[in-house]
Amino acid sequence: AQSVTQLDSQVPVFEEAPVELRCNYSSSVSVYLFWYVQYPNQGLQLLLKYLSGSTLVKGINGFEAEFNKSQTSFHLRKPSVHISDTAEYFCAVSLVYSSASKIIFGSGTRLSIRP
Amino acid sequence: DAGVTQSPTHLIKTRGQQVTLRCSPKSGHDTVSWYQQALGQGPQFIFQYYEEEERQRGNFPDRFSGHQFPNYSSELNVNALLLGDSALYLCASSFRDRGHGYTFGSGTRLTVV
Repeated sequence: AQSVTQLDSQVPVFEEAPVELRCNYSSSVSVYLFWYVQYPNQGLQLLLKYLSGSTLVKGINGFEAEFNKSQTSFHLRKPSVHISDTAEYFCAVSLVYSSASKIIFGSGTRLSIRP
Repeated sequence: DAGVTQSPTHLIKTRGQQVTLRCSPKSGHDTVSWYQQALGQGPQFIFQYYEEEERQRGNFPDRFSGHQFPNYSSELNVNALLLGDSALYLCASSFRDRGHGYTFGSGTRLTVV
């Protein structure tokens, strides 16, 4: 079975500073990888996804993530954060060759931006 | 283009009661998945419906049941509510995409008192 570990439950950063949110996954087969963002009292919005090809994936709002198969990681980065990036971020995984896909989520990382 | 629509947005139920949550998938989507998100936690997979059948189920008791209609909309039913069922219930839709990513609704906040 696959699983996702988000290494930091909270990450405080100053506005305009860079940020990295860490994610490691475990699976015996190939996976698709995702990052979702959840703003207060809202559902989940897809930031970016890795399906195949280039290991550097660019998403919305200036975020990007790099798939590292040898380290089974998919860390999310942004070079300069804004107050509006304050939210909960979830890393997620699904199996590539599953006839009935489901997405498994990590426990989330709360990103708080300080002015 | 309407996204995923969930109703109601909030509701309060008493322990032991039954509740039904509803979800309309994004236009063009035919698969609906339900998740439970307790406060401060990541979403937990409940089950997934495709072609009006439950295709996969997470680690949830039989008190949690669902249904998918011919128009692809779906319902989540929870019987004999417990205080621990209080959570945000999220519906997600997709098009037979074998896990390429879901579109989520804004959720239904259920409070059991």
